[in-house]
Order: sequence, then C-alpha cells, then structure tokens
Amino acid sequence: GQQVMQIPQYQHVQEGEDFTTYCNSSTTLSNIQWYKQRPGGHPVFLIQLVKSGEVKKQKRLTFQFGEAKKNSSLHITATQTTDVGTYFCAVGGSNYKLTFGKGTLLTVNP
Amino acid sequence: DTAVSQTPKYLVTQMGNDKSIKCEQNLGHDTMYWYKQDSKKFLKIMFSYNNKELIINETVPNRFSPKSPDKAHLNLHINSLELGDSAVYFCASSQVTGEQFFGPGTRLTVL
Repeated sequence: GQQVMQIPQYQHVQEGEDFTTYCNSSTTLSNIQWYKQRPGGHPVFLIQLVKSGEVKKQKRLTFQFGEAKKNSSLHITATQTTDVGTYFCAVGGSNYKLTFGKGTLLTVNP
Repeated sequence: DTAVSQTPKYLVTQMGNDKSIKCEQNLGHDTMYWYKQDSKKFLKIMFSYNNKELIINETVPNRFSPKSPDKAHLNLHINSLELGDSAVYFCASSQVTGEQFFGPGTRLTVL
C-alpha cells in the first residue's frame, strides 16, 4: 500500500520562528491531506492538495504539493503557542483508505 | 451538535475482558473508520465501512470485530483484551474521498 515518510519527528522552536514539516513518497500520489492534532485531542483536517505544484495558504500556514506529486510540505510562519501539536500528512489510496505519516510534534517556547 | 461522538471516553479494564466502543456520526457520511493510535502517536487504520459494508480490514487480530448496524453507527468489540491493546481508538467518518472527521477518541488501558 501507499507509504509516506514524514520528517522531522520532533521540532522545538521559539515563538516567532518558522516551522516546516515534510512528507515524501516513492510513488506518485493522487492527493495528500494534512491534519493537526492538539495534545490530548483528535486529528483535525487542515487541507487537501490534489494538483501538481499546488500551493495553498491558510493565514500563517502554507501547504505545497510537489511538481511530481511525490512530496508535500507544511510551513508555518512566525509560530505561536497555539500552533503546538502533532502535524500529520495522509495519503489517499483505494477504498477511501488514508495512510498517515508518523507525524511531526511541534512544541513552541513562549 | 457533535459531529462524530464516541463512548466511552476512557476505558480501564483487566486483561482477558471483553469490551465495546461505540461511535456515531450525524454528518450523513457514507464511510466510517476505526483507527488505533499507539503511545508513539502513530495512527493506523483498522477497519472501514461504506454503507454498512466492510471495505477495509487491515491486519488486525480476530479479537477485534467491528459492527455497523446502520450508516451512522460503527461499533468496535474487542474480545480477550491484552496489554498491547492499550491505545487511543479513534472513530472517523467521511464522504467519498474527502476530509475525515474524527471523534474525540477512546483511551483504552488494559491492566
């Protein structure tokens, strides 16, 4: 099945610094989704990317889908303490199956 | 109104017991899922139902049995609980291949 590698596993930043997490696949992806899970919470959908080279923005969050549709990134500009949590990418497969990356845990020092 | 709800939120039980977790969604979605999240936060799909039909059945011990009485409900029954079953179990739902909506999770602790 689909597999996706997500890095880094952990990232600790000072408030105001930028943050990026990356997902890479050895195969071409039909789409990729991003989720955020706050500590003690449940995964919450952020965005879905479908088109090659797609770039989408949500306030301080920028999502990119690679030209070859094999990689994606989530970049947060000027992190805030509210950004703390684990960010997951997830790739779609057959039968509506989503395969999640292992996640990047972001901690922010105020 | 809660979109995807699960009960119970916490479940503490002894090894060897049988337990059930219930899930309900009021979003009108056709597809529902069960995920297991281990202590390292790895989210792994266990089962998926589409219109009450099982469509994903990952490599999960036979002790785990999902049941979908209707489109809005997907329950998970676990027999003969083992220590390694301790985890957070998330129910989710979606329409076609869109975003998945997750329930609040059930933290299962097996002693």
